This record gives sequence, C-alpha cells and structure tokens, in this order.
Amino acid sequence: EAQVTQNPRYLITVTGKKLTVTCSQNMNHEYMSWYRQDPGLGLRQIYYSMNVEVTDKGDVPEGYKVSRKEKRNFPLILESPSPNQTSLYFCASRGGGSKNEQYFGPGTRLTVT
Amino acid sequence: AQKVTQAQTEISVVEKEDVTLDCVYETRDTTYYLFWYKQPPSGELVFLIRRNSFDEQNEISGRYSWNFQKSTSSFNFTITASQVVDSAVYFCALSVSLSGGYQKVTFGTGTKLQVIP
Repeated sequence: EAQVTQNPRYLITVTGKKLTVTCSQNMNHEYMSWYRQDPGLGLRQIYYSMNVEVTDKGDVPEGYKVSRKEKRNFPLILESPSPNQTSLYFCASRGGGSKNEQYFGPGTRLTVT
Repeated sequence: AQKVTQAQTEISVVEKEDVTLDCVYETRDTTYYLFWYKQPPSGELVFLIRRNSFDEQNEISGRYSWNFQKSTSSFNFTITASQVVDSAVYFCALSVSLSGGYQKVTFGTGTKLQVIP
C-alpha cells in the first residue's frame, strides 16, 4: 500500500529537549516536504527536498532542520524546541512529472511546554 | 508570490442543504494547479481534486462539484445535499513550478464546515 508514515503521532516535550520526527514514504518519490498546521493559518511549508541531499527552506524554516540521506526518509529535527513550535506537523511526498498530487502522512501533534 | 484566500472561516448548514466553499487565488504564473483537500476531525488530509490551469471544465463527482473560473481566479467547491460526514475542514491549495521541477504549494487557511443533523 502506497503511504507516507510519520512517527511519533503524538509527542509532548519540554523546551530545549532535542527531538526528531521521522517521515518515510514507500512510493520512490523524489519530492518531500514538511508542513505545520496552526489554527487560522492553514498549512505552511517548513522545508522541502527535491531529492537525496537536496533540501531547501520553505516559508517558516526557523528552528527546524531536515536531512535527506535516503530517498524514502525525510526526518524533521527540532534542535531546541520552544512553545511556539507547538503545532500539527505533516510530511508529504510527491512524484515527479505531471503527477504532482501530494501524499500526506497522518500528522504528528507536537506540544512543547 | 502566490496567495490563496478562503474567506469563509466557518460555515454551518443543516443536513441536506447545499453549500459552496469559496477559494480565490493569486499567481502570475500561467501554468498552475489547484487542489482541494478535506481534513475530517480525525486529522488526516484527504485529497479531493486537482485541476490544471488549462482545464476550466467544471467537474462533478457524486455530491461534490467544482467550479473553476480563471476570469475571477476562483475555484469553488459545492457539496450538494450535505451530510454529517461532510463535516470537516476544507483546504484549497495552489501549486506552481519553481526551478528544478519543484512544485511550490500554497494553502489557504481552510474553511470549517459543520453539517448539523
């Protein structure tokens, strides 16, 4: 089954404690992205990757890091989480060419206290 | 820069009523894609439709229909005979190509639809 998986689905942590949210897709997609969803703001892109070792900033990259060492994985790293990073996070992947529909993961609800 | 506006923050309708969700977009690109996604209370994002900028033909899928008008930069979504299961947040999104083949996707802020039994 074609899918994007994220782990963990729920996470409560404290300010400053480094965390990683994993994302994996099994569709051999080149493009992957991370979004955060906040009330009244919709989804905003954090980072994206066009292929292995190729990443770039989205609209709200501050406080986040990503890496793309393998095609299937695109982890999101919060080196020093702060309360304003409390949000719902989505990973997405997309194939190349005209098939530009994004497939979204189930979401990770992060709370930073 | 691209922009997607969903002016309706929340809409409530009584079951079986028709409802239209508005989406207005801005882009200078002549080639782009428009999408609608549904986010039910469970939280996942469900793809509903994709439309490219060269195809203004309206589409109907069961109780769902979409009206794309380039002249007004709108891509509205109508649910006919609404049902409680239609209660969700609906997002409109715009996708344009950047260098390297990457598609930049901009989402609207969403419209929360509540269908009352």
